[in-house]
Amino acid sequence: TQLLEQSPQFLSIQEGENLTVYCNSSSVFSSLQWYRQEPGEGPVLLVTVVTGGEVKKLKRLTFQFGDARKDSSLHITAAQPGDTGLYLCAGAPARRPNDYKLSFGAGTTVTVRA
Amino acid sequence: NAGVTQTPKFQVLKTGQSMTLQCAQDMNHNSMYWYRQDPGMGLRLIYYSASEGTTDKGEVPNGYNVSRLNKREFSLRLESAAPSQTSVYFCASSVLRGHTSSGNTIYFGEGSWLTVV
Repeated sequence: TQLLEQSPQFLSIQEGENLTVYCNSSSVFSSLQWYRQEPGEGPVLLVTVVTGGEVKKLKRLTFQFGDARKDSSLHITAAQPGDTGLYLCAGAPARRPNDYKLSFGAGTTVTVRA
Repeated sequence: NAGVTQTPKFQVLKTGQSMTLQCAQDMNHNSMYWYRQDPGMGLRLIYYSASEGTTDKGEVPNGYNVSRLNKREFSLRLESAAPSQTSVYFCASSVLRGHTSSGNTIYFGEGSWLTVV
């Protein structure tokens, strides 16, 4: 059983549309990270959210950490083909905030069609 | 601007064979990690090294050994490969031990595709 559940598993949209990816857990996290992974490459960190209710924006990407620090979402506005990739959320349970045993979700594969 | 470098990129092994995956980072990071990635399961931590001279088990250490050779290098060894070890392996590094400190970034290598037949 994954500590972090991501949904949907796959998402295919047309260029210019918006999309939201969810990362949920029954556990509380001290912070959550979002990564993007392109085929044949390793994951690259996009953002870290640390405060419940926090919203961070990275150009057309908006990240939100839930008030209870159990969930997070990634919203992409006006998606472009360059946004195609595997989006992974990751975090460490709040009871061990500096634990190296970071848990990863299974990921959401996003395809943006031109 | 190498970052984290892994070798080999691709490898096919027969069941029972041994091999070592090499990893080196040029960012003067203290901590290094080995993950495996399998379809539908995300990344799972195999072993971790907080600093030179120390190693710790992660979620899925069985069948693997590691060596932190120096601050730059962290190798992963499969002593007797099994088909269940077919996976993509990622080496990673970070400045700090804690993953969740704001601003602490984990840098991943490009991955090593291992098939055990």
